[in-house]
Amino acid sequence: DAGITQSPRYKITETGRQVTLMCHQTWSHSYMFWYRQDLGHGLRLIYYSAAADITDKGEVPDGYVVSRSKTENFPLTLESATRSQTSVYFCASSVADTQYFGPGTRLTVL
Amino acid sequence: AQSVTQPDIHITVSEGASLELRCNYSYGATPYLFWYVQSPGQGLQLLLKYFSGDTLVQGIKGFEAEFKRSQSSFNLRKPSVHWSDAAEYFCAVGSYNNNDMRFGAGTRLTVKP
Repeated sequence: DAGITQSPRYKITETGRQVTLMCHQTWSHSYMFWYRQDLGHGLRLIYYSAAADITDKGEVPDGYVVSRSKTENFPLTLESATRSQTSVYFCASSVADTQYFGPGTRLTVL
Repeated sequence: AQSVTQPDIHITVSEGASLELRCNYSYGATPYLFWYVQSPGQGLQLLLKYFSGDTLVQGIKGFEAEFKRSQSSFNLRKPSVHWSDAAEYFCAVGSYNNNDMRFGAGTRLTVKP
C-alpha cells in the first residue's frame, strides 16, 4: 500500500528553468492538492483538483501550472522558476473530509 | 476569509507534563477543524478532526481537542507528553471538500527530559 508518493524528494534548479514536481496516489481519491510550506506561513494551497481534467486555483497559484489527465497523478509545474519559489512542496489527496499528505519535495531555486 | 491563528510559535514542556496547544480560527460557515503533526523531514499526519457532535474529540497518540464555538477555538491537549511527541503541530480549518483549507503557522513542540 504505497499511498501517496512525490518525486523528486529534493531538487535544486536555477532561476528561469522549468521544473515539474510529480505526485502519485494509489487510492483513487477524487480530490488532490498542492501546498507549499514556508517558515512562518504554515501550508498554503497552490492548486487543487476535484477529478481528472478539473483543476482550480488555491490561495497562491501565481507562477504554477497543474494538470490532471489521470486520477492518480497530479503534477505541478513551475514554468520559469524564481527564488521566491524555494520551498517545501506537499501533495495531498482526500476522500470526503480528510486529507492524506505525501512526504514532500524540497525545492531550491538558485 | 477564513484564517487560523496559532499564538505560540514554540513551546517547551518537560516529559510527563501536560500540554495544551492553542488554535483560534475565523470561518464564515460551520468549520471543519483539524490538527496535524509533522515530524522533521516528514509529511503531515492527521491527529484528529472535528465536524459536529461532541465538542471533545479524541485522536491518535493520546491527543484530544475541544471545540469551543463561543471562543472560536480548537485547542489540542495531551495529559502526559512523551519525548516522541516533539514535532511541529498545525491547526487547520476548511470545508467538507478541503478545497479552501487554511493552516496555522504551526507550533513547534520541544520536550525536555
